[in-house]
Amino acid sequence: DIQMTQSPSSLSASVGDRVTITCRASQGISNFLAWYQQKPGKAPKLLIYAASTLQSGVPSRFSGSGSGTDFTLTISSLQPEDVATYYCQKYNSAPQTFGQGTRLEIK
Amino acid sequence: EVQLLESGGGLVQPGGSLRLSCAASGFIFSAYAMTWVRQAPGKGLDWVSTISGSGDTSYYADSVKGRFTISRDNSKNTLYLQINGLRAEDTAVYYCAKDRSSGGSCYNYWGQGTLVIVSS
Repeated sequence: DIQMTQSPSSLSASVGDRVTITCRASQGISNFLAWYQQKPGKAPKLLIYAASTLQSGVPSRFSGSGSGTDFTLTISSLQPEDVATYYCQKYNSAPQTFGQGTRLEIK
Repeated sequence: EVQLLESGGGLVQPGGSLRLSCAASGFIFSAYAMTWVRQAPGKGLDWVSTISGSGDTSYYADSVKGRFTISRDNSKNTLYLQINGLRAEDTAVYYCAKDRSSGGSCYNYWGQGTLVIVSS
């Protein structure tokens, strides 16, 4: 099975900072990669699909890039409401594995 | 408005069974694959199972294969997860999620989750 590895596991940044989270697949998955945001006690929320397509209603400060095995989620200017855990997920085929998550905090 | 409402969670003894339900509304239920994802306390997201829109194809994580059965009733707009042989490691919040597109995809809507606790 394809493994999904995120880095870093946790991250602390200041409001206004540019933040980048990386996700690596153990085999190529083309662009079948999604990013989710999960706030404490809440269900995950889809941010980006097809590696770089912004889900409707998601602020434009979020962006995604990559293809094949290496992907990134970027927040261009960190806001207080972005405090959450972020997950990547591959969905080209079952199992639709998630990365282990990246916890983002405000410094 | 799309809504997904899970139910059926609770406290169960090891070896016991539960049937989780997810009532869907606000979209053409039969047109979309549906998925169960779980999250153990303080842990990450864990894909469990996916079923096609028609219900004739399903997929399972190796960790649940042979113990969990996903099904759906398109006439009732309801998704199910039958869980047998429960183990302590099955303790988690179980979410149902709707595929973003009809051709196998990520999930653009999630329910609020139902908590399953396996303990004696």
